[in-house]
Amino acid sequence: DAGVIQSPRHEVTEMGQEVTLRCKPISGHDYLFWYRQTMMRGLELLIYFNNNVPIDDSGMPEDRFSAKMPNASFSTLKIQPSEPRDSAVYFCASIMSGLNTGELFFGEGSRLTVL
Amino acid sequence: RKEVEQDPGPFNVPEGATVAFNCTYSNSASQSFFWYRQDCRKEPKLLMSVYSSGNEDGRFTAQLNRASQYISLLIRDSKLSDSATYLCVVTSSGSARQLTFGSGTQLTVLP
Repeated sequence: DAGVIQSPRHEVTEMGQEVTLRCKPISGHDYLFWYRQTMMRGLELLIYFNNNVPIDDSGMPEDRFSAKMPNASFSTLKIQPSEPRDSAVYFCASIMSGLNTGELFFGEGSRLTVL
Repeated sequence: RKEVEQDPGPFNVPEGATVAFNCTYSNSASQSFFWYRQDCRKEPKLLMSVYSSGNEDGRFTAQLNRASQYISLLIRDSKLSDSATYLCVVTSSGSARQLTFGSGTQLTVLP
């Protein structure tokens, strides 16, 4: 079975450019999460969705960040304009509700470098 | 104070050694506890849950001390393939959607 699929795997861009990260969760999973990981701050939850509806976006750093989930099989995380401090690995993860096993299924991540 | 704190390490141990990691959490209402493993430049993956009575999975033993609010992971007879970062994870409501990750403890097992 396909896992969580993220794209791009790597992106290098210049400060001020728009960045769009994409995620396809595991089919049937109704929760989707966006995390950011850096050496300094570890793994931080940015936002999560339930049945395509944003539930908690308190982790989104600022207005430059936005996330959407237009349908059950696709989500985007957009940064506009990007800044060097946004450089990090961005993970998407999904889970099916009712499975209280604590097992989040992560994608392989999108490694973003903003110059 | 961070909600979940871990010693970042690194822990460098010889193959065959026993190594233990501790993790403390600040929210006394935390309900569920887990250890995740993250290999270099890979995504985190669930290693094991941590139950109140303690639990074992092969060479790995997890313990929970609610009174002192800490969780431990013991790895016996460590293998080269155990080299990774181990993330302590806590939920506040018993639901996966409330997972809080520690910053991780880096382990390197040396030949």
